[in-house]
Amino acid sequence: DIQLTQSPSFLSASVGERVTFTCRASQAIGSDLAWYQQRPGKAPKLLMYAASTLHSGVPSRFSGRGSGTEFTLTISSLQPEDFATYYCQQFNSYPLTFGGGTKVEIK
Amino acid sequence: QVQLVQSGAEVKKPGASVKVSCKASGYTLDSHDINWVRQATGQGLEWLGWMTPERGSSGHAHNFQDRVAMTTNTSINTAFLEVSSLRSDDTAIYYCARVRCVGDDCFADLWGQGTLVTVSS
Repeated sequence: DIQLTQSPSFLSASVGERVTFTCRASQAIGSDLAWYQQRPGKAPKLLMYAASTLHSGVPSRFSGRGSGTEFTLTISSLQPEDFATYYCQQFNSYPLTFGGGTKVEIK
Repeated sequence: QVQLVQSGAEVKKPGASVKVSCKASGYTLDSHDINWVRQATGQGLEWLGWMTPERGSSGHAHNFQDRVAMTTNTSINTAFLEVSSLRSDDTAIYYCARVRCVGDDCFADLWGQGTLVTVSS
């Protein structure tokens, strides 16, 4: 099974700050990676797929990069509504797997 | 409105089974895969399995091999997840999600609201 490791697991940041977090795969997955945002008490919401393609309606302050085993998600200027937990998921091979998440909290 | 609407919360005893429904509206269930994901309180997302409604084929994560069954009833545009031999560590919110593919790029773009399943004696 492909393991996804997200880092950091917790991040404290201020509104307006630029933040980047990482998702590392245990083996190469091309660009078969999606990112989701989950706010407390809500279902996950798709942000990005194919590592760097912004899903429809997602603000352009979100960007994704990477291929192979290392991927990043960047928020260029953190907004109050961005404080949430972010998960990566690989679609390269079954079983599909999620990373452990990065929780972004207000500093 | 395109959405997935799941059935309500369930409380079950250890050893029992639970069946969660996921009704699609605004699109035909047959047209995309459905994945099932769960999340224990305060924990991350755990992928349970997939199914292709059009073909009736499915697959599960290794540790659920014999305990989960995924089915659909296309006449009511609804997918179902049944988990049997429930244990206390099956207590979680269960989500269904539509998986779309654009060429080779796949992603879960539509999620149900979640169903809380509590396993307690």
